[in-house]
This record gives sequence, C-alpha cells and structure tokens, in this order.
Amino acid sequence: GAGVSQSPRYKVAKRGQDVALRCDPISGHVSLFWYQQALGQGPEFLTYFQNEAQLDKSGLPSDRFFAERPEGSVSTLKIQRTQQEDSAVYLCASSLAQRGFSDTQYFGPGTRLTVL
Amino acid sequence: AQSVTQLDSHVSVSEGTPVLLRCNYSSSYSPSLFWYVQHPNKGLQLLLKYTSAATLVKGINGFEAEFKKSETSFHLTKPSAHMSDAAEYFCVVSGSWDGSQGNLIFGKGTKLSVKP
Repeated sequence: GAGVSQSPRYKVAKRGQDVALRCDPISGHVSLFWYQQALGQGPEFLTYFQNEAQLDKSGLPSDRFFAERPEGSVSTLKIQRTQQEDSAVYLCASSLAQRGFSDTQYFGPGTRLTVL
Repeated sequence: AQSVTQLDSHVSVSEGTPVLLRCNYSSSYSPSLFWYVQHPNKGLQLLLKYTSAATLVKGINGFEAEFKKSETSFHLTKPSAHMSDAAEYFCVVSGSWDGSQGNLIFGKGTKLSVKP
C-alpha cells in the first residue's frame, strides 16, 4: 500500500530563491502535519491541517513560510526568499483521525533542503 | 508545556545484548507517549505508543516500553539487540490533551549503534 510520499527528495536552492515542497498523504487521511528536522536534532512541528483547514501554524518560523492544502489531500510547503538557516529535512506526516494527537502519524521520507 | 528529554545521545551495545534507551517526560496532564525509529534515508516509523491503557507497551521488532508516572519515565527496551536495530530513536509526547493541537513533540534522539 502507498505510504506518505514527498517530492522532491532533495532540493538545492541559492539563497533568496523560493522553493515548494510537496506532500502526498495516505489516501483518506484527514490530518496532515509538517515538521522541520535540523541536522542532529529531532523534528520540530511547523503546521497542522485538518482536511483543508490549517488549524495550527504556530511552528512556522517566519512569514516566509507558507503551507496550503486546498483540496484536503495534497499539501505544499512554500518557503520564500530562502536563507541558509532554512537548510533542514522537511517531514510530512498524515493520520486518519480528526483529533490526531493520539492517533498514529505516518511519516514520509522527507525533503532535504540545502540552501547555499 | 509538554517536553521529553532523552538522557543519552548515543548508546552502543553488542549484538545479542539488551538495549535500554532512556526517556523522561514532562506533562501537565496524562500524556500520550511514543517511540519512533529513523533509519538512514528512511522515514520515521512508529515503534510503539502509550495512550493511558496498559503501562507496559509492546511494539514492533521486539521492543517494549514501560510508562512510569512516579518517575515520569518512558524507557525503551529490547532483550537482545540485532544489527538491524542500529538507527536513531526518538521519544515523543503529544502536544495537547484534547487534540486541538495535533502536533508531536520530539526529543533530540538517541543514536543506537550495534557492534557485531
């Protein structure tokens, strides 16, 4: 069965460029999460969707970060005017339940972003 | 606020010997706790989860963890290590009690090395 997929798997950007990272959750999963994992650290929460509604974006580090899930399935994380500190692995996860905190989150392989 | 502390950044064991990865949590309410494993270049995989049922939780690949409220601990154990267990392990706590905030809060991770 298909799991969570992310594309691209690797992205190299020059400082100041805009990037878009895509997440395809497991079909039928209501909740979708984005996390940022810096080198040698645990993932940190960025934002959370329930269907198409963005219910929590408290983890987004700046207004350069923007996420959307317009039809309640595929999600895109966009980073404008990338900076070197944005270099990290960006993880997407999905879960079946609306109230996702105790439900299993299934993670994608991540997109490794390197900003030069 | 919820948090987890993984007491060891790196644990090294010999194949066939027991594994102990230590985790302490902080939570203002009865938490949901998880252990995830991350193999190189692979997505995070759920090992096990505790959601206020039995305090001894059995997971995949022979791992188990015991929730000890008096010690605020959720240590991960395995009786006999296998070479394939070498990976990064994350202790994780849920972000809130009512699911209104669905994010997971990760520890910094423990890298497990297994020597032949």
